[in-house]
Amino acid sequence: NAGVTQTPKFQVLKTGQSMTLQCAQDMNHNSMYWYRQDPGMGLRLIYYSASEGTTDKGEVPNGYNVSRLNKREFSLRLESAAPSQTSVYFCATTLSAGGPRNIQYFGAGTRLSVL
Amino acid sequence: DQQVKQNSPSLSVQEGRISILNCDYTNSMFDYFLWYKKYPAEGPTFLISISSIKDKNEDGRFTVFLNKSAKHLSLHIVPSQPGDSAVYFCAARGNAGGTSYGKLTFGQGTILTVHP
Repeated sequence: NAGVTQTPKFQVLKTGQSMTLQCAQDMNHNSMYWYRQDPGMGLRLIYYSASEGTTDKGEVPNGYNVSRLNKREFSLRLESAAPSQTSVYFCATTLSAGGPRNIQYFGAGTRLSVL
Repeated sequence: DQQVKQNSPSLSVQEGRISILNCDYTNSMFDYFLWYKKYPAEGPTFLISISSIKDKNEDGRFTVFLNKSAKHLSLHIVPSQPGDSAVYFCAARGNAGGTSYGKLTFGQGTILTVHP
């Protein structure tokens, strides 16, 4: 089992370019999340999807859009990249956002640089 | 407004000694707390957790303590090993009555270095 797979692993963009970060899980989990990690800031929630067909904003949603394509896949789109979006992006999943423990399982991350 | 804080950016410990990582929170609506470990170029991995109805949870060399009145939790690693060198994040989950329900709020992380 691959667990949580993120593609690509690395990406360099120019300001104003667009791109989509992909996340796929084979854990049969219902809830999926997108975080960004910046130095000294920990992990901050961008968007999440409690279940297939639903998405909600997290702490730092501006400049991003998401699509929960099906139960397995949750994508994050940058329509017009800005240097402030240079970061490491992590996708995570959990069986159920409202479950008793909500242990989230993370992908390996996508390192994005916007020049 | 940082609801979960790890005030020590780094900690250096000798192999075999105890490592104590600390975390403070401000939101009394958090009901479940987790510690994650992260190696460079990898995603965070779950380490240990504790419910707000408990004050201690132990798993091998790792013990998490929760002091609800002080809104403080700590992770103890005994004995520390060089392979424990990583970034440690604490996280808190909001309960069903709050706006953070189903979501985790993370601290900034503490870099632990265990010297041989």
